[in-house]
Parts: sequence; C-alpha cells; structure tokens
Amino acid sequence: AAGVIQSPRHLIKEKRETATLKCYPIPRHDTVYWYQQGPGQDPQFLISFYEKMQSDKGSIPDRFSAQQFSDYHSELNMSSLELGDSALYFCASSTGTPKYEQYFGPGTRLTVT
Amino acid sequence: AQTVTQSQPEMSVQEAETVTLSCTYDTSENNYYLFWYKQPPSRQMILVIRQEAYKQQNATENRFSVNFQKAAKSFSLKISDSQLGDTAMYFCAFMKLASGTYKYIFGTGTRLKVLA
Repeated sequence: AAGVIQSPRHLIKEKRETATLKCYPIPRHDTVYWYQQGPGQDPQFLISFYEKMQSDKGSIPDRFSAQQFSDYHSELNMSSLELGDSALYFCASSTGTPKYEQYFGPGTRLTVT
Repeated sequence: AQTVTQSQPEMSVQEAETVTLSCTYDTSENNYYLFWYKQPPSRQMILVIRQEAYKQQNATENRFSVNFQKAAKSFSLKISDSQLGDTAMYFCAFMKLASGTYKYIFGTGTRLKVLA
C-alpha cells in the first residue's frame, strides 16, 4: 500500500538559510499534518491543512510557512534557520470520517549548522 | 488545554514477559481518541493501537492491549510475550474530536528495551 512520502529525507543547512520540506500524502487523503520532533522529545504539532485550507495551527514559528497544493501535496517553508530548528519533521495524512488515524511519513531530518 | 503524561521514561522487560506502559491525560472533552505509537530506531512512527473514548471495551491488537479507564483518565498499554522487535520508544497520543482540528497531543514517551 502507498505510504506518505517525504522529501528530502536528510537536509543540512546553515544558519539564516532557507529550507523547503515536501510531503506527498497517501492517495485520496485530504488532510495533512506537520509535526516537529526535537532530539529526545515528543512530536509537536505545527500546522494542518484540510482540502488545501489551513485547518489548525500549533507552535509554528512565524519564520515557517506552509501550504497544501491542488494535488494535495504540502510544503513546509522554513526561513532564517536557527540551530534550534534542527529536528525531525514528520508529515502525516488522514482522511475519512471521523478523521482519527494519521499515517506518518518517514520524516525529514533537518540539521542546521 | 489537553495534556498527556507518561511517567516512565525508561522500562525494560525480558523477552517473552509482559510489560505495561502507563499514560494519563487531562481533558474536559468527552469525545476523543487515544493512541499508542511505536517509534523504533528507524524513527518511523508506527500505530500500535487506538481506543475510541465512547467505547467501554478495551482495544486489543494481537499481543497489544490497553486498559482504558475513562473516569481516571488513564490509558495503559500492555505488551504480552515481549519480543526483541518491540524495543522502541512508545508514545501515547490524545486526539479530541472537534470540527476543524484533529491534531495529536503526544506524551513524552517511554523508552522500552526488551532483553534477550
């Protein structure tokens, strides 16, 4: 079965640079979630989209923005990167009623040096 | 706001034995779901089991079962016949059923090591 695809899997950036993370949800899934997992921490919700509209927002810095496109893939744009942004970024997707089960991608490991 | 607490940072169990991981949560909501996710060294998040709050019957998936105590806001995971492949970080997650938002709130995790 198709799974959530994230690219790139690994990314190394320098401070103050910009990064773009991509997420391709499971086909026919209409909701995408982004989570950030710092070293030794639990995943923290950043933002979600339903049918290409932002549906919820968590602890996402103003330096980050995201959107969901017409083909339902999503991109997380991160600017003015800081050392503290180094983390594993998960994308998850879901569909159906109720929207209770999220399927996670493998994550993108971002390292900021 | 909802909070999820996992009070056991680390646990170990002998292969083939049974272990129980604890999770408590705080919410004023009545409709919600609870989940246990496993995160092995690969860091992939894998769903282990889910429980709908409106269901009194405890969920079971093969060797994994939960003890859901809604009044006590407790949701523990029991792993029977532990296997080496069960070694992983286990996260308890809460999701409220409310229009427009279905985000997960995770606990801080329990690192489980299964010993040969």
